Amino acid sequence: SQKIEQNSEALNIQEGKTATLTCNYTNYSPAYLQWYRQDPGRGPVFLLLIRENEKEKRKERLKVTFDTTLKQSLFHITASQPADSATYLCALEGNTGNQFYFGTGTSLTVIP
Amino acid sequence: DGGITQSPKYLFRKEGQNVTLSCEQNLNHDAMYWYRQDPGQGLRLIYYSQIVNDFQKGDIAEGYSVSREKKESFPLTVTSAQKNPTAFYLCASSLGGAIYGYTFGSGTRLTVV
Repeated sequence: SQKIEQNSEALNIQEGKTATLTCNYTNYSPAYLQWYRQDPGRGPVFLLLIRENEKEKRKERLKVTFDTTLKQSLFHITASQPADSATYLCALEGNTGNQFYFGTGTSLTVIP
Repeated sequence: DGGITQSPKYLFRKEGQNVTLSCEQNLNHDAMYWYRQDPGQGLRLIYYSQIVNDFQKGDIAEGYSVSREKKESFPLTVTSAQKNPTAFYLCASSLGGAIYGYTFGSGTRLTVV
C-alpha cells in the first residue's frame, strides 16, 4: 500500500540550531514533492517544491533534498527561531498526477 | 489581496442533517480541492476539480458531494450518509499541474452534536 511517513514524534530543538525533518514514502513514484507549514487551526502554507531531478533546493533558511533511490526527502531549517515552531507537512504527487498526497506532519518546537 | 476564503470557520451539525461548506477563491486558479484533516492523520482528499463543471472523487468521497458551477467557487456538502463527519475541512486551489503549490483556506471545523 502507499505510505507517506514523517517523524511521528514532536521535534524540540534549541534556537539557532538546524532542524531536520524526514519524509519517507513507499509505492509512490512522484516527479514532484512539496513541503508546507501549518500553524494550529490554520490551513497549510506552501513553502517549497522540488523536482525528482533536483537533488537539493534552497530558499532563505530552508533546504530540501529529494532522494528518489532512498524514497526520502529531508527538510532543513537552519538558524532556527521560535517563530519556526509549527507542523511541517510533506506532500507527494500522486501516481495519476492530478493531486498531492500529504503526510501526517512533524511538529517542531524551537526553544528560546 | 487574492486568496481563498472558507466559511464558516466553525459549524455544528445535528445528526441526520446535510450541511454545506463554502469555498471561494479570487486567484483565478483552475484547480480546486477539498481535504479532510483528522488528528494523527494526514490530509485526505475528498474531491477535486480541474475545470468548471467537472470534478473527480478523491480517496474518501463517500458521504460528500460537490459542485463547480463557477471557477471561483467549490462548495462541499456533507450529507447525512457521512458516518463520521466531525473533522477539520480544508479547501485549496492551484493553477493546476504538479509544479504549482496549493493555496489553502483557513479551514472549517465541523462538529456533529
